[in-house]
Amino acid sequence: QSALTQVTSVSGSPGQSITISCTGTSSDVGDYDHISWYQHHPGEAPKLMIYDVSNRPLGVSDRFSGSQSGNTASLTISGLQTEDEADYYCSSYTTGRTLVFGGGTKLTVL
Amino acid sequence: QVQLVESGGGLVKPGGSLRLSCAVSGFTFSDHYMSWIRQAPGKGLEWVSYISTSGSAIYYADSVKGRFTISRDNAKNSLYLQMSSLRVEDTAVYYCARARGVGGVVYRFDYWGQGTLVTVSS
Repeated sequence: QSALTQVTSVSGSPGQSITISCTGTSSDVGDYDHISWYQHHPGEAPKLMIYDVSNRPLGVSDRFSGSQSGNTASLTISGLQTEDEADYYCSSYTTGRTLVFGGGTKLTVL
Repeated sequence: QVQLVESGGGLVKPGGSLRLSCAVSGFTFSDHYMSWIRQAPGKGLEWVSYISTSGSAIYYADSVKGRFTISRDNAKNSLYLQMSSLRVEDTAVYYCARARGVGGVVYRFDYWGQGTLVTVSS
């Protein structure tokens, strides 16, 4: 159950687009279409932003989109807004009916 | 609206025990799998355990297997995590979350609480 790999931090200016990657293995990201992304403002409850690679829950802005290629999943945020500044975590279903998270990426909106 | 409120966190010595609770409202608790997820200070999220609607199916992360026990009381709309043989590395904010998936397999967590802090230190 090794953690998925995410870059520690990314930054962008309001209005720009950024992409956060999440790299796993053929036992998790590469083998299942059950990748989720969570937004976490410290001190608050984490929020589900994307599930099953590219699906958005009701109420999540369409500025958030997800994709996957091989062992790497990606979260793209377009039209960056100041309120997007948060920590973002990917998660994948993995063998043995367990789940694994990424180490998290801190997004700074300059 | 959906609410999950964790409680029971605190300071405990290594080797000690602690029981966390999560009170749920805003949805039919007995219809949903539930999970615990934790975040150590300065670290990322780590899935801990999840439990089926009836409690008959339970899964744990290797890091807590044999030491932690997840349970639920559908009559009380409550989820629990009994933690024993606690280690310094179990220090974390513990979140309860509603789990979603298909065919008894959990793929994601769609509602989370704000967490309760567990500190394991001598």
